[in-house]
Amino acid sequence: GAGVSQSPRYKVAKRGQDVALRCDPISGHVSLFWYQQALGQGPEFLTYFQNEAQLDKSGLPSDRFFAERPEGSVSTLKIQRTQQEDSAVYLCASSLRVNTEAFFGQGTRLTVV
Amino acid sequence: EDQVTQSPEALRLQEGESSSLNCSYTVSGLRGLFWYRQDPGKGPEFLFTLYSAGEEKEKERLKATLTKKESFLHITAPKPEDSATYLCAVQRNMEYGNKLVFGAGTILRVKS
Repeated sequence: GAGVSQSPRYKVAKRGQDVALRCDPISGHVSLFWYQQALGQGPEFLTYFQNEAQLDKSGLPSDRFFAERPEGSVSTLKIQRTQQEDSAVYLCASSLRVNTEAFFGQGTRLTVV
Repeated sequence: EDQVTQSPEALRLQEGESSSLNCSYTVSGLRGLFWYRQDPGKGPEFLFTLYSAGEEKEKERLKATLTKKESFLHITAPKPEDSATYLCAVQRNMEYGNKLVFGAGTILRVKS
């Protein structure tokens, strides 16, 4: 596709439910990032992949958060036992090479009720 | 710890009224400073990357500049379609990873 695609666009989860958020990066992009954006704030880094290798997961807020990119293309961010504080927009970004500009998807808005 | 502070938090301009947005940063080993535009309900859209003090980049009515401590996004004769949140982010040198550290953004409203 022409840009980074994320699905679903909106997700409502009951507290305690597990969710999976999908990211399709721009074809051929080596680097993939996940960010979390709270209302009125800038995005905050969660994790980074170079191809299929997860090189930095320092931003994941707890062990309930897990990300994978098994074939170096599509990535999934999984949140187990969702809590209200997990409500946010989850943004995926990809870049062609290491340290080139990142292009963002439209995000998935997660609401935990 | 890396810090990025944007000011003002919000800015209202009349169409044609030029102004500047500020991004102050504290980071060890800056590799690049990035400006993004974000419309409501959308992901950030890349505008510029600046790599060294003194560098300037322009795109339509926008010009970004960089010093050793801050960056400015100058908006000349803005139009209503320039209304958006403008985000600034810093990236450290490669040995520190590739993540972007964002500021909270400046919400710009341009009235006709």
